[in-house]
Amino acid sequence: NAGVTQTPKFQVLKTGQSMTLQCAQDMNHNSMYWYRQDPGMGLRLIYYSASEGTTDKGEVPNGYNVSRLNKREFSLRLESAAPSQTSVYFCASSWTGPNEKLFFGSGTQLSVL
Amino acid sequence: GENVEQHPSTLSVQEGDSAVIKCTYSDSASNYFPWYKQELGKRPQLIIDIRSNVGEKKDQRIAVTLNKTAKHFSLHITETQPEDSAVYFCAAYSGAGSYQLTFGKGTKLSVIP
Repeated sequence: NAGVTQTPKFQVLKTGQSMTLQCAQDMNHNSMYWYRQDPGMGLRLIYYSASEGTTDKGEVPNGYNVSRLNKREFSLRLESAAPSQTSVYFCASSWTGPNEKLFFGSGTQLSVL
Repeated sequence: GENVEQHPSTLSVQEGDSAVIKCTYSDSASNYFPWYKQELGKRPQLIIDIRSNVGEKKDQRIAVTLNKTAKHFSLHITETQPEDSAVYFCAAYSGAGSYQLTFGKGTKLSVIP
């Protein structure tokens, strides 16, 4: 039982490049989330998927897209990376919603030059 | 939307002393208040949570209190140990169909041996 697995752990991009962050959970959770963490800013919700087949915007969705590929997998795509997207990205999952324990992945440190 | 303020941003205590971190929230409809602990370079992990129908909850050395009238909640750690050193985040969830869990900006707790 690996929990929530994120890849890659580190990534450096040049401005304008694209990339996809992968996330998978093996706990049969319905809800999945992408957060970004910036120094002194806490965790901010980018996108979420309440259940398989649905996705919705969070607090800071601009510049990102997501895909809920199946119940296990939820990916985050940066189409044209910008320096403002330099951050640590966390994927998380929970049974049915954010009003219960969130299980976080180990994070992706992304730098955009 | 919901706004969560967390204080202090840094806190240093001697080993064995108590630590208190306070959060205020703005949305009176909020009904779920978790606390996450994040050790350096690690993922956030839930340490305790409280729902709006409860005023206090304890788990060994950790306790959380909620004052709905004043819209604030606090984390209390007693008999602090060096392994309690971490960044602690409070959060609030208002429900009403939203999946937005709003986090505070975090408190860096240092326990001095």
